[in-house]
Formats: sequence, C-alpha cells, structure tokens
Amino acid sequence: AQSVAQPEDQVNVAEGNPLTVKCTYSVSGNPYLFWYVQYPNRGLQFLLKYITGDNLVKGSYGFEAEFNKSQTSFHLKKPSALVSDSALYFCAVRGLTGGGNKLTFGTGTQLKVEL
Amino acid sequence: NAGVTQTPKFRILKIGQSMTLQCTQDMNHNYMYWYRQDPGMGLKLIYYSVGAGITDKGEVPNGYNVSRSTTEDFPLRLELAAPSQTSVYFCASSYSAGQGIGYEQYFGPGTRLTVT
Repeated sequence: AQSVAQPEDQVNVAEGNPLTVKCTYSVSGNPYLFWYVQYPNRGLQFLLKYITGDNLVKGSYGFEAEFNKSQTSFHLKKPSALVSDSALYFCAVRGLTGGGNKLTFGTGTQLKVEL
Repeated sequence: NAGVTQTPKFRILKIGQSMTLQCTQDMNHNYMYWYRQDPGMGLKLIYYSVGAGITDKGEVPNGYNVSRSTTEDFPLRLELAAPSQTSVYFCASSYSAGQGIGYEQYFGPGTRLTVT
C-alpha cells in the first residue's frame, strides 16, 4: 500500500524568507509525486509533479520541489515566501501498480506567511 | 472551459434523507473521483471511475453510490444520510496519456454537506 506523511501540521515563515513544506512517501517501485494547494473554501489546485528525470521540479507560483529517492522525500520549497502563499498544502503519491490513476494524499500542512 | 463543476455548493440534510451530489467535467478526462475531506484527515477516496460504465470502490465507500453513464458526469448518491457523512465533498478528474503525461487530478470547488 502507498502512503504519504506530512510531519508538520503547520509551518510559519516570515514574508521574504525561504519556505519548506516537508513530505515523505512510501510506495512500491518508483513513485509519481504531486503537490497541491488549497485556499479557504476552494478546491485543490495542482502545483507540480515529479514523474521521472530531474530531481528538482519547478511548478506554479514560483514553487519547486526536490525529489530525494534515498530519503523517500519530496519537499516543497520556495525561495521567497509571500503572504498570499498562506494556504493548506497537500502532498500526494501515485504508485506504478494498481489501476484508476489513484492518488494517496497526506493530511496537509497549513502554511502561514506573516509580515 | 469550466473544468470540473459541482452542485450544490452547500446542503443541509436531515438524518435519513437522501440526495445526489452532481459533478461534471468538460475536459474529456476518462478518470473521475469522489473524495471527502474532514479536518486534519486529508482526502479520502470514496469511489472512482476509469470510464463511462465502469466504477469501483475507494477507501470509504459505505453509505454512498455512484454511476457513470457518460464521460462528463459522475454523480454521487447518499442514501439514508447519517451525521458521520457531514463533510466537504470534492469531485476530481484526470487523464493519462502514458510516458508521464497527465496523471494529475483536477478538482471541483466542493460541496459542503451537513447532516443533522
């Protein structure tokens, strides 16, 4: 079975500082990994994905994520945080086996960016 | 291109009532999904579909039913609503074209359901 862990319920960072939101995964074989963002009272929005290739993936709104196979991690990063980045972030994994293109989501990390 | 749309946005049900949550996508995606989101619990998959006429259970299917008569529509039926079904429900769709193309899911705005 595949699983995702987001070890921090909340991350606080000052505007202009770099941010990191952590994610570790467990899956048989090579993973497909995703990050989503959810603003209040909205659906999830796709940010970026890792399928294969370069371990550093760039996505929307200046976000990027680093895939580390040896540490089974896929941390989300941004060099300079904005107050508008404050939202709930979800990491998700898809294994290569099983049908339905199903994703398993983490429990989410609330990011709060303060002035 | 509206993406994934859901109706209604909000609904209050009494215990034992039934209702259908509507979901439509206009991206010609073959895969569709229903999730529920509870605080601190992430998203749990209720049902999914790999194409018209084909549906399968997810992680938490009890108390729900689905159908997929067309590529575009994937309604979720709640029979005999219970307080435990109070949640926010999201519909999503995706496609896969092989070689890593696709796979990400696109979400609707959600339906907030309260059962009292």
